[in-house]
This record gives sequence, C-alpha cells and structure tokens, in this order.
Amino acid sequence: EDQVTQSPEALRLQEGESSSLNCSYTVSGLRGLFWYRQDPGKGPEFLFTLYSAGEEKEKERLKATLTKKESFLHITAPKPEDSATYLCAVSLTQGGSEKLVFGKGTKLTVNP
Amino acid sequence: DSGVTQTPKHLITATGQRVTLRCSPRSGDLSVYWYQQSLDQGLQFLIQYYNGEERAKGNILERFSAQQFPDLHSELNLSSLELGDSALYFCASSVLSGGLNTGELFFGEGSRLTVL
Repeated sequence: EDQVTQSPEALRLQEGESSSLNCSYTVSGLRGLFWYRQDPGKGPEFLFTLYSAGEEKEKERLKATLTKKESFLHITAPKPEDSATYLCAVSLTQGGSEKLVFGKGTKLTVNP
Repeated sequence: DSGVTQTPKHLITATGQRVTLRCSPRSGDLSVYWYQQSLDQGLQFLIQYYNGEERAKGNILERFSAQQFPDLHSELNLSSLELGDSALYFCASSVLSGGLNTGELFFGEGSRLTVL
C-alpha cells in the first residue's frame, strides 16, 4: 500500500538551532513530492515541489531535498515564526487518476 | 489569502443531520479538491472535480457526495452525520496543466464541523 510517513511527529527547537524533518514514502508511480506548511486553524500553504532524486529547492531558511526513498526539509537557524506543522505529500497515479497523498505532518515549535 | 473561499467556517450539528459545505476556487482554477483533516488521520483526500466532472475519488464515504457547478464552485454534502465525522473539511483548487496535477494546491481556511 502506498504510504507517506513523516518523522518526528513533533520537534522543539531553540531559535537558531538548525535541524531536519524527514518524509519517507513507499509508493509506485510517484509523480512528485511536495512540502506544505500549515499554521493552526489555517489551510496548508504550498512550499516546494520536487520531482526527481537529487533535486533541491530553497526558500529563506528552508531547503528541501529528495532521494529515491525520502525527502528532507532542512531548517537553518529557525525563528519563532517558523513554528508550524510541516506536511509532506506525494502525487501518484492510481487507477488511471492522479491524487495527492499527505503524511500526518511534523509539528515544529521554535522557542525564542 | 489563498483566494479559495469556504463557507461556513464553523458548523455545529447533531447526529443524523445533513450539512452542505461550500467552496469557491481561485479565479481561473478549474480543479477543486476536498480533504478531511482529523487529529488521528491527518489530511485525507476525499474527491476531486475538474471543470464540472469528477476526476478522482479517495476515501469518501457513501454518505458524502460532492458536485462542481458550471460557475466552478463546489459543494460537499454530508448526510446521516456521525460523531466521527467531526473534523476540518478543506477545499483546495489548482490549475491542471496538460492533464497533470502539479501538486501545488491552494487551500481554503476550512470548515470546522462538530457533530454532537
């Protein structure tokens, strides 16, 4: 069965303390991997798209990387405003249609 | 602001009742997606419509149905409600390019449904 697993479930960092979030996937027919940020009470907000192993994307303090089995979201020198739940999703073809499957997310808290 | 509008923001109802959630996609987006988010299950894909036609189906219960109208807004109908249906329901929209889903979805702020 196609699966997307994110770890850790929750992560607490001090401001400036860099770390990485993991998204591992076991899917067939992967079309792409996506990272979203979700603030409490809000809808997810798109961050990155990764299509092939070795690809990297950056945005401010965030960098996303992709291998054949997993993706990492690296957070460099985080600030309190980076606190949010980060969701990973994979786009896959199933039964002739394409759908986006989300992991359960990593809740990141950055303390000042 | 994603440009996707969902109403109502909050809804409290009783078991056995029926509710309708409404979504207006971003201007120009032809695809509408519905997702259910609960604490234990995360974000679960329910159904997708593209230009008025059903495009993909996920874990949508038979008690739930959806449609997309000619003006591209969409409605999700939930009937015979159970306590377990309490969740956040998100609508998202996107532009399909060449028949492929780019994965870049624009989400609304959700409708929080509480079934008592």
